[in-house]
Parts: sequence; structure tokens; C-alpha cells
Amino acid sequence: GDSVTQMEGPVTLSEEACLTINCTYTATGYPSLFWYVQYPGEGLQLLLKATKADDKGSNKGFEATYRKETTSFHLEKGSVQVSDSAVYFCALSGRAAGNKLTFGGGTRVLVKP
Amino acid sequence: GAVVSQHPSRVICKSGTSVKIECRSLDFQATTMFWYRQFPKKSLMLMATSNEGSKATYEQGVEKDKFLINHASLTLSTLTVTSAHPEDSSFYICSAPITGSGGNTIYFGEGSWLTVV
Repeated sequence: GDSVTQMEGPVTLSEEACLTINCTYTATGYPSLFWYVQYPGEGLQLLLKATKADDKGSNKGFEATYRKETTSFHLEKGSVQVSDSAVYFCALSGRAAGNKLTFGGGTRVLVKP
Repeated sequence: GAVVSQHPSRVICKSGTSVKIECRSLDFQATTMFWYRQFPKKSLMLMATSNEGSKATYEQGVEKDKFLINHASLTLSTLTVTSAHPEDSSFYICSAPITGSGGNTIYFGEGSWLTVV
């Protein structure tokens, strides 16, 4: 079945540092790929998405590129802020799964001033 | 702004009672909604697919008699935790898809914290 693997956290870094969260997936066909962010005590917010190979999703300084050849969708931000402290989830929606999402385990990011 | 809304955001109930959580799509119709459960510091687990006008589809291992799902209209799905026990305490969150030119985008509600005492 479909699966998503993302790097375990927590990831602790200083403000203005570069952030990369690795995400790889296993799925049949061409799934849609998503990054969601969860701030403490809150629900999930869609951060960005990509629906086909080589698509780049971007939002709020975050980027991720759909790499079919490496089955990856790594999340990157060039300069993080304290407000980026949150848990980040990589997810996929397989074509055969309708709109069900398969999530990675989540990566907690802590940005220190 | 929010496109999917949940209510209540937090609820405390006594063991043995039932509690209902609502999930509403705002300004769009959702024939399908999804209910997830999240344990502390863990990922989200899909519980069931809520289908407007028909029975919900439950994931393996989820008790359908314990977690009653009703999708009464195109904008409302409810999850009722029946005869709640402390182990049902968790974060419950729903999602609904919006179909667009770039494919489907899946939005989540704010989530509901359930504490059973």
C-alpha cells in the first residue's frame, strides 16, 4: 500500500538557518503530494502541494519539488523564523485512494531566536 | 480563511457519556469528508470516510458502533463518540476535498480535543 517516510525530529535550529525536511514515498501511479503544518494546539494547515512530477509547490518561503525519479518531496526553507516552529507532515493522496491522505510520521521543528 | 470548520474545539465529558463533534464545509459542498485521530506527538490515523447520503466507510480496526458517523447534508458530517472512555481521549480532526483545476486540495478543520474523565 501507499506509505510516506519523513525524517524524524525534533529538528532544532537557529533563526535564519536553512531548513530541509526529507520526505520519500511509496505509491502506485502518480499521487498528489502535500505538506501540512500543525502549530501547537491547532489543526493542520495546508502549506503546499504538487500534483505531478517536477511540479514545485511553494508558500510562505517554503518549497518542495515533486521528484518522481527519487520518489521524494523534500521541504525546504532558506531562512527560518521562530514562528516556523511547528510539526510538519508530508502526505500523499493516491489516485486510487480518492481523497484519503496517507501521512508521514511528522517532523517537529523548533526554531530558537 | 478557514474552509472547513469543526466544533467544538475542546470538550470534556464524563466516562460513559457520548459526545458529538461537527465538521462543516464552508461555502462548498463536500460529498465526502474524512475523520482522523491523532494521539499526542503522533501522526494522523484515518478513522473513516464519511459519505453524504450513505453509510460511512471505516478503516480496519475502527469500531463503527463506537464512532458513529453521520453525513446528513453536503456541508455537515458528525462524529459521535459513544460510551466514551478515557482511552478515547484524543485529537479528532476532519478533512474535506475541494476540486479545482489543479486537482483536489484537501483541507482540514481546526480539530477537536476530546478529554474523557
